[in-house]
Amino acid sequence: AQKITQTQPGMFVQEKEAVTLDCTYDTSDPSYGLFWYKQPSSGEMIFLIYQGSYDQQNATEGRYSLNFQKARKSANLVISASQLGDSAMYFCAMRGSNYQLIWGAGTKLIIKP
Amino acid sequence: GAVVSQHPSRVICKSGTSVKIECRSLDFQATTMFWYRQFPKQSLMLMATSNEGSKATYEQGVEKDKFLINHASLTLSTLTVTSAHPEDSSFYICSAHPGQGLDTQYFGPGTRLTVL
Repeated sequence: AQKITQTQPGMFVQEKEAVTLDCTYDTSDPSYGLFWYKQPSSGEMIFLIYQGSYDQQNATEGRYSLNFQKARKSANLVISASQLGDSAMYFCAMRGSNYQLIWGAGTKLIIKP
Repeated sequence: GAVVSQHPSRVICKSGTSVKIECRSLDFQATTMFWYRQFPKQSLMLMATSNEGSKATYEQGVEKDKFLINHASLTLSTLTVTSAHPEDSSFYICSAHPGQGLDTQYFGPGTRLTVL
């Protein structure tokens, strides 16, 4: 069965510091995609970054990068130079069958000024 | 591009009434749309998958007669909560998938339903 695990329910980080949010996954499919979404208090799901299982390089999008370690089945999100606006819930997800997303429990990130 | 709208954003209704939530893909055609429910401080729970022109596929434990889903066109899916009760109060989010072998799906802003 496919599964996403986020082991950090909450994190406090000082503004301007880098932060790593952990995500491990389990799947037997050779082809899969991994996502990170941000959900601020408004509730909208904001797509941050995507990594395909066959991508050779780690995905990057501005301040976001995905540390993809296939052998360890981990897909950690790294946010560089954190900002107060980064405070939100962060969800890791994996594409399942029929393009459904399998979600982790989420990590609540709070950036301290 | 890839904008998904959801209407209404908030709705308060009396117990026993039905509520319809619309999900529209504004600048692309969505072969598949997904409906999620999210309780406070929890992750998204997939309720159903709808493909244009066919019946929705509901996840285990989701009452199909309670949560009616219609995907009448490639840009519109609706979720109707029938005979709503206070326990149906939740945050409902839709997402739209453009198909074409792409992985990314795009989310609507969500609808907060409160049933009194």
